Amino acid sequence: DQQVKQNSPSLSVQEGRISILNCDYTNSMFDYFLWYKKYPAEGPTFLISISSIKDKNEDGRFTVFLNKSAKHLSLHIVPSQPGDSAVYFCAARNPGTYKYIFGTGTRLKVLA
Amino acid sequence: GAGVSQSPSNKVTEKGKDVELRCDPISGHTALYWYRQRLGQGLEFLIYFQGNSAPDKSGLPSDRFSAERTGESVSTLTIQRTQQEDSAVYLCASSLDRVTNREQFFGPGTRLTVL
Repeated sequence: DQQVKQNSPSLSVQEGRISILNCDYTNSMFDYFLWYKKYPAEGPTFLISISSIKDKNEDGRFTVFLNKSAKHLSLHIVPSQPGDSAVYFCAARNPGTYKYIFGTGTRLKVLA
Repeated sequence: GAGVSQSPSNKVTEKGKDVELRCDPISGHTALYWYRQRLGQGLEFLIYFQGNSAPDKSGLPSDRFSAERTGESVSTLTIQRTQQEDSAVYLCASSLDRVTNREQFFGPGTRLTVL
């Protein structure tokens, strides 16, 4: 049973427009959420995080929104750039542990 | 470079053979994780090392899998009697500290193919 789900395996967006990547989770006890970006043949790289006590965190073109009542997390990229084309993973942590549960990823393609 | 490195980058082996994968974490990072990513799936936690504490091996899928870490440096993941279902990308990540730094820095991974 997957506790962290990314239901969209892929997404295409025009350059300059907004990309919205979604993530749903089932465990209301998760206390910290991360987004990672992964290029082919490379390991994932940390992008942005959010604590469960917040509902929004912004870093440049990247904003993460957390809706705890809906157990839903989203990553907004605006404006999208061709270099943003990658696979994006969300991950969630159980409080008091060091284990993160990762989603299956969403492949974003930004079209020039 | 100062990042996490893994070797080999690719490994092709025959079913039944043993393989050893290596991870060099970022210097000073006390926490080290191994993950597995099968095709089309998310990252699957395998094992976690934190300093000199006993490792958390709860994610290892079978007793054919084992891992070691010397202090806060190199780690090796060993798979004995490999099976075709072991084919995956094996990723290593290190973190400064599990409490104060939640960010994990990943290596490029080792792609294992079991024929």
